[in-house]
Amino acid sequence: GQQVMQIPQYQHVQEGEDFTTYCNSSTTLSNIQWYKQRPGGHPVFLIQLVKSGEVKKQKRLTFQFGEAKKNSSLHITATQTTDVGTYFCAGRDNYGQNFVFGPGTRLSVLP
Amino acid sequence: DAGITQSPRHKVTETGTPVTLRCHQTENHRYMYWYRQDPGHGLRLIHYSYGVKDTDKGEVSDGYSVSRSKTEDFLLTLESATSSQTSVYFCAISGTLSGGADTQYFGPGTRLTVL
Repeated sequence: GQQVMQIPQYQHVQEGEDFTTYCNSSTTLSNIQWYKQRPGGHPVFLIQLVKSGEVKKQKRLTFQFGEAKKNSSLHITATQTTDVGTYFCAGRDNYGQNFVFGPGTRLSVLP
Repeated sequence: DAGITQSPRHKVTETGTPVTLRCHQTENHRYMYWYRQDPGHGLRLIHYSYGVKDTDKGEVSDGYSVSRSKTEDFLLTLESATSSQTSVYFCAISGTLSGGADTQYFGPGTRLTVL
């Protein structure tokens, strides 16, 4: 079945440094979503990408969908302590009813 | 946050006992989901519902059953709890009654411990 992988599993950065997490699917995706989960909280939807090569920005966050629609990335510029949490990607392929989540990347930001 | 609640928020039970978790929404969303979250695995889909009395299995459905008798409530039952079912359970909703929408809104979660 469809598998979604994320790297790295953990990332520790100094406040002000940039951060990138990568998401890779075993199958071609129709769309991909990104969620953020703060420690002790629940996942919160950030964005959805549907087009090949699509790039979307939300303030310091930049999301990209690969040309082959099998990978995606989330880049945070100049991290802040409020960025701490786990970032999940979730992909749905052309045959799936539902989204499959990656294992997440846990981001720690040192002040 | 979307109007979605889960009860109980915490539960400790013993192996072999039945457990029911409740998810309640006030948004009239069509789709409802139950996930479990375990370290290193992200969120894994247990069961989902696409309407009243319409449910289907997810990737980790063994040992779980669900019911949806009305739009706002989605119940997850562990018929005979096992220690491997110790986890954090999240309910999510998406879509509207008239059509589909992909964004999932998650509830606050239920932490279940099976001793």
